[in-house]
Amino acid sequence: NAGVTQTPKFRILKIGQSMTLQCTQDMNHNYMYWYRQDPGMGLKLIYYSVGAGITDKGEVPNGYNVSRSTTEDFPLRLELAAPSQTSVYFCASSYPQGEYNTFGSGTRLTVV
Amino acid sequence: DQQVKQNSPSLSVQEGRISILNCDYTNSMFDYFLWYKKYPAEGPTFLISISSIKDKNEDGRFTVFLNKSAKHLSLHIVPSQPGDSAVYFCAASPRGAGNNRKLIWGLGTSLAVNP
Repeated sequence: NAGVTQTPKFRILKIGQSMTLQCTQDMNHNYMYWYRQDPGMGLKLIYYSVGAGITDKGEVPNGYNVSRSTTEDFPLRLELAAPSQTSVYFCASSYPQGEYNTFGSGTRLTVV
Repeated sequence: DQQVKQNSPSLSVQEGRISILNCDYTNSMFDYFLWYKKYPAEGPTFLISISSIKDKNEDGRFTVFLNKSAKHLSLHIVPSQPGDSAVYFCAASPRGAGNNRKLIWGLGTSLAVNP
């Protein structure tokens, strides 16, 4: 099992560009999440999904979009990148009654 | 407004001694608490959790204590090992969430275990 796989690991974007952060999991988890971690801060939930076709906003959804067409994949879309979106992004997944999330290794994004 | 507070940004202990990491919370709706460990350039990994119906949960060298009246929990690592050096995050989930899908995270405590 690969667990939760995120790509790319690093990316530099210019202001106004867009990109998609990819996340896939092979554990057949229903729940998937996107978090961001700013320097010296804890994780903030951006969006989450309880199953294919169902998504909902977390604490900090502005500037992002998600989709969940399959159980395995949960891409995060940034439109019109801004410097405030410079962060490390983590994708995670879990069973509905799972005790904890399993995290990917993160995507470090810099917007200049 | 930090609902989950880890007031010590860093902690240094000697190998073999006890490490105690603290976490305070303000929201009485939280009823499930987790500790995660994070190494540089990796995602957080789950360490141990505790439900509000318990006041202690143990897993090998790791024990979490919960004091609901004080809204305080602590993670004890005994004995501490150099491989325990990492950032430790406390996270909490509100009652009714059913699971951990809306975790609220602390800022983390960086633990250094010196040989």
